[in-house]
Amino acid sequence: EPEVTQTPSHQVTQMGQEVILRCVPISNHLYFYWYRQILGQKVEFLVSFYNNEISEKSEIFDDQFSVERPDGSNFTLKIRSTKLEDSAMYFCASSGIFMNTEAFFGQGTRLTVV
Amino acid sequence: DQQVKQNSPSLSVQEGRISILNCDYTNSMFDYFLWYKKYPAEGPTFLISISSIKDKNEDGRFTVFLNKSAKHLSLHIVPSQPGDSAVYFCAASEYGNKLVFGAGTILRVKS
Repeated sequence: EPEVTQTPSHQVTQMGQEVILRCVPISNHLYFYWYRQILGQKVEFLVSFYNNEISEKSEIFDDQFSVERPDGSNFTLKIRSTKLEDSAMYFCASSGIFMNTEAFFGQGTRLTVV
Repeated sequence: DQQVKQNSPSLSVQEGRISILNCDYTNSMFDYFLWYKKYPAEGPTFLISISSIKDKNEDGRFTVFLNKSAKHLSLHIVPSQPGDSAVYFCAASEYGNKLVFGAGTILRVKS
């Protein structure tokens, strides 16, 4: 069964450092997303990406965040200068025909900023 | 932002009985609703969805009911199995835009 793959599963970084979280969406999907879940809180939308550009972003997704689809398979989330409050599980998701219709999620990357 | 609410933090059910998980929403523009199941340290797994033009959708042991006038949906699991023990998230979207999640309900199915 096709699945969304995320790497690494766990990333520890020093405050102020840049991190790149990687995702391989399901191959024939067209819409890609990043969500995050801070421990004990809700899953929150960060950004959606379609046709090589951002289609929607939340207020959380400020200038320190960026997304890229550098080739035909990978979808990355870059956090430029990490802060302690960026510590969370980051989930990549993808969907096929229509945005967010039955979005399929990856296993997540646990980001710990120390 | 409390557009999607799951007011029960947890639910405990005996194996074989029905589990009913509830979700309320405030945004009348939501037109698509989904339920996800999540185990610790894993991503949400899609379970079942319903469009706002329907009031019921069934898939095996899972049935989702939508009451638009009450802005309420529920997920029924019959019969409940120990493997169903997980966190269940209700989510909603407006015209295919971002998913808005509830806080989740922890379901424990006792054998």
